[in-house]
Order: sequence, then C-alpha cells, then structure tokens
Amino acid sequence: AQKITQTQPGMFVQEKEAVTLDCTYDTSDQSYGLFWYKQPSSGEMIFLIYQGSYDEQNATEGRYSLNFQKARKSANLVISASQLGDSAMYFCAMRVTSGTYKYIFGTGTRLKVLA
Amino acid sequence: DSGVTQTPKHLITATGQRVTLRCSPRSGDLSVYWYQQSLDQGLQFLIQYYNGEERAKGNILERFSAQQFPDLHSELNLSSLELGDSALYFCASSVGGLNADSYEQYFGPGTRLTVT
Repeated sequence: AQKITQTQPGMFVQEKEAVTLDCTYDTSDQSYGLFWYKQPSSGEMIFLIYQGSYDEQNATEGRYSLNFQKARKSANLVISASQLGDSAMYFCAMRVTSGTYKYIFGTGTRLKVLA
Repeated sequence: DSGVTQTPKHLITATGQRVTLRCSPRSGDLSVYWYQQSLDQGLQFLIQYYNGEERAKGNILERFSAQQFPDLHSELNLSSLELGDSALYFCASSVGGLNADSYEQYFGPGTRLTVT
C-alpha cells in the first residue's frame, strides 16, 4: 500500500533552535518524489522542499533540509534556526507513478515555535 | 501571493446542488492540480491536467469532474453535493512538462465550500 505516515501530531520548539519533523513512506515504486509543504494558519499551502528517489544528496532549501534515508523509507524535514513565523502545519507528501501519477499526503504535524 | 487565483473564496450551498470552482494558474504554468482538504480525510489529490489533457487521477468521486480550457484555466464541477463534500478545495499549478513532471507546485488560496 502507498502511504505517508507522520507520527507527530504536534511539536514545540524554542526559537532559534533546530527541529526535525518525521515522515515515513511506503511504496513499491522505484521512482517517486517526496515533498514537504507548510500550511500557516491563514490556510495557504507553501511548497518547501523536494527529494527525488534517485537523488543521492539530501535536498536543502535555505533553512530547510530533507534527511532522506531510502533504506529506512524516511524523509524527515529539518528546520534550522526556527523562527516564530515557522509556526504552522507541515505536510509530507509523496508522488508515485505506478500506472499514473498520484500524490499522497500525510496527516500533518503542527509546529509551534516558542519565543 | 503564489500567482494562482481561485474563485469564489467561499461558497455555501445546499445538498443535492451543483457548483463550479474556478482556477487560473500562474502565467506560463501548463499543469493544474485539484486537491480537497477536509477534517475527515485530510489532504486528498483529486486530479491533474496538463495543457488541456487529463494527466493523473486521484481520489476523485464520480460526482466530480474537471476540465482545463485552452486558456489553461481550470474548473472543478461538483454535483449532487453531500454534507461530506464540505471542504477547502485547492488548485495548484506547475510548469509540469509532459515527460518530466515538475515538482514545485504553487497553490492558490483555496475555495471554502460549505454544504448545508
């Protein structure tokens, strides 16, 4: 079964500290993509970072990095130097290609950054 | 501002009715995606169009249909509405090449549908 699991419904982090949001995935596809999105309380969805299954290096975008461990089927998001504006819901998602492209989302992790 | 526009922002309608949600992608983007976000089911991918043609299909109900027009805007039609269809419907767009699916999607602000 193709699935994304985010086991942390909510997390707290102190401002300026780093935080890791967990994501594990399940797919039998050889080629897939992993994404992280941020959804602030205002509701919009913001793309953060992408990792392809054949990418050998972990993806990084500014303060965001994706810790990709293929053998463990995990794609954790690391946010360095947390800011108050990072408080939001974070979704891990996977694009699979068996038959046709499809996007599968996790249930999300609500992150609260404390001053 | 992502550059993706969706209308209307809010929609309230009764069960059994039909509604149309509209999406204009970012300038230059050829792919349009539709998603549904509800408390019950979380975020669900519905369907993707690329340059007017259906490219990928997710958990879209038979009561729902979509299309992408020559000017690349897209419409999502929801019919025989049920209470459970109440959700936030997002449209997203990407450059999305036919053989090289672009990975960065830009989301619109969403349409909040309430079925009473």
